[in-house]
Amino acid sequence: SQKIEQNSEALNIQEGKTATLTCNYTNYSPAYLQWYRQDPGRGPVFLLLIRENEKEKRKERLKVTFDTTLKQSLFHITASQPADSATYLCAPLRWSNTGKLIFGQGTTLQVKP
Amino acid sequence: DTGVSQNPRHKITKRGQNVTFRCDPISEHNRLYWYRQTLGQGPEFLTYFQNEAQLEKSRLLSDRFSAERPKGSFSTLEIQRTEQGDSAMYLCASSLDVGHSGYTFGSGTRLTVV
Repeated sequence: SQKIEQNSEALNIQEGKTATLTCNYTNYSPAYLQWYRQDPGRGPVFLLLIRENEKEKRKERLKVTFDTTLKQSLFHITASQPADSATYLCAPLRWSNTGKLIFGQGTTLQVKP
Repeated sequence: DTGVSQNPRHKITKRGQNVTFRCDPISEHNRLYWYRQTLGQGPEFLTYFQNEAQLEKSRLLSDRFSAERPKGSFSTLEIQRTEQGDSAMYLCASSLDVGHSGYTFGSGTRLTVV
């Protein structure tokens, strides 16, 4: 069955450092992969989408890579700030008519000042 | 347009009661999704509408759950005979098309069954 794995342990880093979060998937060939941010008690907020034919995507301090051979996506936040503290969710998306997103369990990032 | 709106934000109900949640998507979005999320987990897919048609329903959705999207606008999710295991955050999301842009989520309805 399809499986999406994100680090279940929280990631604690110092302000100004680069945070790297991992998303691995199995039994899956996604055409796209989306990353979301979720704050406690709120719905997820879309951050970035990367397509299978794109190796890397950037947006301001965010960078996402997509390795279809390794079946892995990496999500980087450079020059991290305490305001970046949140849970980050990945959602590989197979090409289908519904566009149904299946989410990983999320990784909680804590950036300390 | 202020995004996806969900009501109520919180609902506490006694076991066995019926509850109904409402979602107002972004007006030009034709796709609408319901998800359920428990603590420490990612959102789990429940059901999907394209316009007014319910095109997919998760096996997670027992026959106590029903969703509608009359006229392809707002949607409701009803849970009949609630159980304590139904306690969760219920999230609604909408999108315009598949894969080319992200989905817009509402803030969710937190259901507590006592």
